[in-house]
Amino acid sequence: DIQMTQSPSAMSASVGDRVTITCRASQDISNSLAWFQQKPGKVPKHLIYASSSLQSGVPSRFSGSGSGTEFTLTISSLQPEDFATYYCLQHKSYPLTFGGGTKVEIK
Amino acid sequence: QVQLQESGPGLVKPSETLSLTCAVSSYFVTSGHHWGWIRQPPGMGLEWIGNIHYSGTTYLNSSLRSRVTMSVDTSKNQFSLRLSSVTAADTAVYYCTRFGWADGLAFWGQGTMVTVSS
Repeated sequence: DIQMTQSPSAMSASVGDRVTITCRASQDISNSLAWFQQKPGKVPKHLIYASSSLQSGVPSRFSGSGSGTEFTLTISSLQPEDFATYYCLQHKSYPLTFGGGTKVEIK
Repeated sequence: QVQLQESGPGLVKPSETLSLTCAVSSYFVTSGHHWGWIRQPPGMGLEWIGNIHYSGTTYLNSSLRSRVTMSVDTSKNQFSLRLSSVTAADTAVYYCTRFGWADGLAFWGQGTMVTVSS
């Protein structure tokens, strides 16, 4: 199975900050990496797929990059509505595997 | 826009079988996509349970394989999950999803909370 390691597991940031979250795969997954945002009690929201493709309707302050085994999600200027937990998912092969999540909290 | 809606009991007794159905709207389950289930225990992360193609081929999480059955009903445009011999550890929000190799898990149902308790 492909293991996905996300870091950090939690972080504090202020509105306007640039935020970067990293996801590492235990083996090469090419660009088959997706990012989700989840707020408490809500369905995970599909932000990015294929490493850098923005899902329709997602603000352009969100971006993704990387290939192979290392990937990043960047929020260029954190907004109040961005405080949430973020998960990565490899969609290269079965079994699908998620990262452990990164909780972005208000500083 | 694909819409997914889970249904099933919210309370299941230990050792019994959890059964959920996902109704699909505005898209045919006979498309080239795979259909599946994700769960999330309270306060924890996301766990992939498995996917199914309308042909009946399943892809399952090895940790749950012995207890999971998945099926597709093309006449009703829906698919189902059965998880046997449940314990409290199976208490979670269960989401149904559409999976594609190109875009991953782009569509999710609203989720349904299932509690395992006597």
